[in-house]
Amino acid sequence: QKEVEQNSGPLSVPEGAIASLNCTYSDRVSQSFFWYRQYSGKSPELIMSIYSNGDKEDGRFTAQLNKASQYVSLLIRDSQPSDSATYLCAVNVERDDKIIFGKGTRLHILP
Amino acid sequence: DVKVTQSSRYLVKRTGEKVFLECVQDMDHENMFWYRQDPGLGLRLIYFSYDVKMKEKGDIPEGYSVSREKKERFSLILESASTNQTSMYLCASSKKSATNEKLFFGSGTQLSVL
Repeated sequence: QKEVEQNSGPLSVPEGAIASLNCTYSDRVSQSFFWYRQYSGKSPELIMSIYSNGDKEDGRFTAQLNKASQYVSLLIRDSQPSDSATYLCAVNVERDDKIIFGKGTRLHILP
Repeated sequence: DVKVTQSSRYLVKRTGEKVFLECVQDMDHENMFWYRQDPGLGLRLIYFSYDVKMKEKGDIPEGYSVSREKKERFSLILESASTNQTSMYLCASSKKSATNEKLFFGSGTQLSVL
């Protein structure tokens, strides 16, 4: 049972362009959604959380949530080489009260 | 600064050994989690706990057990280590809330079972 799905990539984006990362989830009652960034050899760190439909912006990052389509995305504007990492989508599965991660999308920003 | 500390960064054990992975957090968080991370499989939840002496199975609990005798400490136990348990193990904690707060991760333990 695949609960959170992401394209594994790698996704290659030129420096300065917009990187778009997508995630779908299967649990209709999920209410909390997260994007974590993980550099190679490091632990994941939270960069965005979103709880209601629509867009949420934080600096160069925008999270988008569409609960009807069970879809959450992350946009990174003005991509920098330091954005090269694996991005993990995470969803709170409320029937079990646990947080489940997708397999992650590897993002590579081309200088 | 908030901190989740895992006792070992690298660990090498033999098949059949009993293995303890320790995790301590200093943030007074109620929730603690154990994940394993494998290439191509992502982060998978093994066990989690929302209170002292409380534990819940995650998606892949087979071959593992946990202990939470104190709020700040959450231990993962491999009763009889097997080669398919070679993996990166990540402990995380979070504050209890209605919306699930962010997870703070430890630096991970790379376990090799020979």
